Amino acid sequence: GENVEQHPSTLSVQEGDSAVIKCTYSDSASNYFPWYKQELGKGPQLIIDIRSNVGEKKDQRIAVTLNKTAKHFSLHITETQPEDSAVYFCAASRTGGFKTIFGAGTRLFVKA
Amino acid sequence: GAVVSQHPSRVICKSGTSVKIECRSLDFQATTMFWYRQFPKQSLMLMATSNEGSKATYEQGVEKDKFLINHASLTLSTLTVTSAHPEDSSFYICSARGGQGESEQYFGPGTRLTVT
Repeated sequence: GENVEQHPSTLSVQEGDSAVIKCTYSDSASNYFPWYKQELGKGPQLIIDIRSNVGEKKDQRIAVTLNKTAKHFSLHITETQPEDSAVYFCAASRTGGFKTIFGAGTRLFVKA
Repeated sequence: GAVVSQHPSRVICKSGTSVKIECRSLDFQATTMFWYRQFPKQSLMLMATSNEGSKATYEQGVEKDKFLINHASLTLSTLTVTSAHPEDSSFYICSARGGQGESEQYFGPGTRLTVT
């Protein structure tokens, strides 16, 4: 079945450094790729998304890139802050009522 | 915009009793709602998908008689855990999506269920 692989599972960076999380999807028909941030004891929050007709999208300190040919997409966080510490999930889906497939999550620690 | 609420945020119940969790889309109409279960330090496990006015579609391995889902309106879905047992203790999260052509999925804050 469809699968989304996410790496790394844990990432520790120093405050101010950049963090990169990578995902690979298997369903070539996927056309929507959201990223969620989940803080301890809370529900996931949509932080950025990208559609298959776009290669890159940026929103302040976060950016997402998509390589459709390789079926890879990545989340980039620049100038990390302690409040960026959380679990990040990537996901892939396609329009038309199909379910979203989530990656296993990346636990990001930003050390002050 | 795109706010999803869940109630209660925490619930403790005794083994054998039933618990109902409500999920509401506050500022949009949710044609599709999803229920997830999340174990500590793990990803989201989809339990079922429900469309307004129709029966929920359950994922393989999820007991539909144990986890009753009702999506009675475009802003409300409920999950009832019937005859709860300690192994049902978990973090339950709902999410909602707007129209059929929309992709964005918004999550509620989750409900921590503890069965004693």
